[in-house]
Order: sequence, then C-alpha cells, then structure tokens
Amino acid sequence: EDKVVQSPLSLVVHEGDTVTLNCSYEVTNFRSLLWYKQEKKAPTFLFMLTSSGIEKKSGRLSSILDKKELFSILNITATQTGDSAIYLCAVEESQGAQKLVFGQGTRLTINP
Amino acid sequence: GAVVSQHPSRVICKSGTSVKIECRSLDFQATTMFWYRQFPKKSLMLMATSNEGSKATYEQGVEKDKFLINHASLTLSTLTVTSAHPEDSSFYICSARAPANTEAFFGQGTRLTVV
Repeated sequence: EDKVVQSPLSLVVHEGDTVTLNCSYEVTNFRSLLWYKQEKKAPTFLFMLTSSGIEKKSGRLSSILDKKELFSILNITATQTGDSAIYLCAVEESQGAQKLVFGQGTRLTINP
Repeated sequence: GAVVSQHPSRVICKSGTSVKIECRSLDFQATTMFWYRQFPKKSLMLMATSNEGSKATYEQGVEKDKFLINHASLTLSTLTVTSAHPEDSSFYICSARAPANTEAFFGQGTRLTVV
C-alpha cells in the first residue's frame, strides 16, 4: 500500500529561524512529489518535484527530492508568522487516475 | 493558475437529510476530479476518484451508496452525502488537474456540520 510519512508532525519555532520539514514515501509507481501549504481552507500549491537532486526555490522556500532514498525536504528560511500553517506532502502515482496520496502533514507554528 | 470552485463553503443540515456539494473547474476541462475528506488536525484522505461519464472509483472503506458522486460534464463533479449523520461532519475538499503534467488544484472546501 502506498504510504507517505511526514516529520515532525508539529513544530514550533521563533520568527527568523530556519526550518526543515521531511517527507518520506513508499509508492509503487512514482510520478511526482508535491508540497502544499494549508492555512484555514484548501491547500495551496508550493512545489512539484519529479527529478532527484534539483532544488526548486520560491522566495524563502525551497525543496529537493531524493528518489534513491525516497524522501523530500522542504526548507523555509527566515521564517515569518505568516508561514504558520500545515504543510502537506503528497505523492502522485504514475498509473491509473494519478491520484495523490497525502502525508499526515506538519503543523508549523512561528512565534513572534 | 487554474481555478477550482467548490460550493457551498459551509453547510449545516439535520441528521437524515442529504447534502450536495459541487466542484467546478472554471477555466479548464477536468476528466478526473478527486474528493477528499479531512478530519480536524488530520491530513487529507482520498475518498474517491470521479471520472467524467463513468462511475466513480471509491477508496477502500468508503461507502459508495452513502457518498454519491456524479461527474456529468468535464467541468462539474458533485458529491452527495446521503442520509447524513453527525459522524459525517467533516471538511470535504475536491481537486482537479488541468491537462497532464501540472499540479492538482483544490477547491475551497466545504465544511459540513450534521446536527
């Protein structure tokens, strides 16, 4: 059965700190790994990763995928209170309906 | 980016009644849409894959007669929670993918409360 595991489940840091969120997966037919940010409503897209070792960057956020070790990390530097959210990792299958399998999420809290 | 609209955003219904939730892709055609359920402080759980013009594919443990899915057109999928009970209270989210090799876009979600 496909599985996506995120760690830590919860993280509290001070504004300005750097955080690293982890996502490991076991998927039979891997197509891509996606990171989402969820605040109060629906998740918003952050990154889609398909190739190993290529870092994707957007402002203070960056992410990289390791397809050999089956994990990805999401880094946030110089955190701000607006970064407080649940960060979801999902893996997309390459066959069939290409559904997304989500991890449990990491609840990130940034204190001023 | 692509837009997925979900309606209503919030609904309160009495136990035993049915509730319909709509999911529309506004600027692209979606042959496949996905329905998720999210419990408080938990992740998204895929309920079913909605296929335009054919029957939905349900995940293990999801009752197809309770959660009716209809995907009548390339831009609309509906989820009907039939004979709702308080334990059906949850946050339901749909998603759709634009043409291949793009990320999935999510609707705003529907918070269902059954009293």
